[in-house]
Amino acid sequence: ETGVTQTPRHLVMGMTNKKSLKCEQHLGHNAMYWYKQSAKKPLELMFVYSLEERVENNSVPSRFSPECPNSSHLFLHLHTLQPEDSALYLCASSQDLERGVGYEQYFGPGTRLTVT
Amino acid sequence: GQQVMQIPQYQHVQEGEDFTTYCNSSTTLSNIQWYKQRPGGHPVFLIQLVKSGEVKKQKRLTFQFGEAKKNSSLHITATQTTDVGTYFCAGPVGYGGSQGNLIFGKGTKLSVKP
Repeated sequence: ETGVTQTPRHLVMGMTNKKSLKCEQHLGHNAMYWYKQSAKKPLELMFVYSLEERVENNSVPSRFSPECPNSSHLFLHLHTLQPEDSALYLCASSQDLERGVGYEQYFGPGTRLTVT
Repeated sequence: GQQVMQIPQYQHVQEGEDFTTYCNSSTTLSNIQWYKQRPGGHPVFLIQLVKSGEVKKQKRLTFQFGEAKKNSSLHITATQTTDVGTYFCAGPVGYGGSQGNLIFGKGTKLSVKP
């Protein structure tokens, strides 16, 4: 499946590092999402973008900073992370974001992040 | 707030046995979706149910949407080792409200013993 790609697939970073995760969707979708997946919270929504505009931020710490330059690309900038931020970070896209509709989402393979 | 709950959290079955996972929403849903995540993989969309009481089949998988559109189930007949993974249900946030993204259940992790 190459509809949604993510890079890097694996990332190890120290708590003082700055890194970015990249997501690209080739499906012509208008909405994109970042999720955090860990053993404690299987699918935790972090950010939602619709037509490059952020529409939801689920009380995510400021050490995570999203960026959506266009409807095909989504970034997650990371700085001064904590060990508890180690998790699988999944990007997803959907056709649109419409009130009460809930379009199906297509996920990328994820970035496995380890914070040391 | 709105919640989507799944049971059981884990299910271990012998190959050939049937398996069922249940999903319950605290609010009425416009649709319910099911996803499968294989070990080491990412969630993959399986199906969407829209109508009250709807039943859909995909080979050995049967999906149902409750009459009140607040619950759903996924039943697998005669499980195979290829069915291993975590099954998530999801419904739209704020039916009739201002948002359109999905809220996911915590998933049911299925293991199949050959």
